[in-house]
Amino acid sequence: EAGVTQFPSHSVIEKGQTVTLRCDPISGHDNLYWYRRVMGKEIKFLLHFVKESKQDESGMPNNRFLAERTGGTYSTLKVQPAELEDSGVYFCASSQGHQKNIQYFGAGTRLSVL
Amino acid sequence: AQRVTQPEKLLSVFKGAPVELKCNYSYSGSPELFWYVQYSRQRLQLLLRHISRESIKGFTADLNKGETSFHLKKPFAQEEDSAMYYCALSGRGGYQKVTFGTGTKLQVIP
Repeated sequence: EAGVTQFPSHSVIEKGQTVTLRCDPISGHDNLYWYRRVMGKEIKFLLHFVKESKQDESGMPNNRFLAERTGGTYSTLKVQPAELEDSGVYFCASSQGHQKNIQYFGAGTRLSVL
Repeated sequence: AQRVTQPEKLLSVFKGAPVELKCNYSYSGSPELFWYVQYSRQRLQLLLRHISRESIKGFTADLNKGETSFHLKKPFAQEEDSAMYYCALSGRGGYQKVTFGTGTKLQVIP
């Protein structure tokens, strides 16, 4: 069984550009989460989808970040326009409906904004 | 507000020595506590959770509600234990946000 897949593994963009990160959860997992780790700091929750609905987006930093999960399968996280402070590692995780708190993580996308 | 504190950024021990990675938390209510581990070039993965009361790869962690701690312990460190360890918590029941600590890098010296 494939794990959580994230693409790309690394993205380098200039300030002001747009970047879209993708996450494919484990098949059958209704819950999908986005997290971010800025260098030297903790892994911070961004948002949570249950199927295609946003359950909790309290961790989204600002309106430059837009997450979608059309059809309740894969999810995208778009940053537009990117700022220097958006640099970090973006993790995606998924979990089954009956075991919400056991989350399986992707390898992460390292975003570098120059 | 829920918070997880891991006071040590780096912990170096010799192979065969005991290991204790510290974790303290702040949460109003009954939390669920976890330890996640990230080995070099691998993804973050769940190591253990307190409600399972199990030992994984020789590691154990006991929830101490009085001290609000969930320290991770292993009696004899192995080189393959070298990794980044994250303590995390969430509330119980339904969906609950998971809050992570800043992580402790464990370095086991041969």
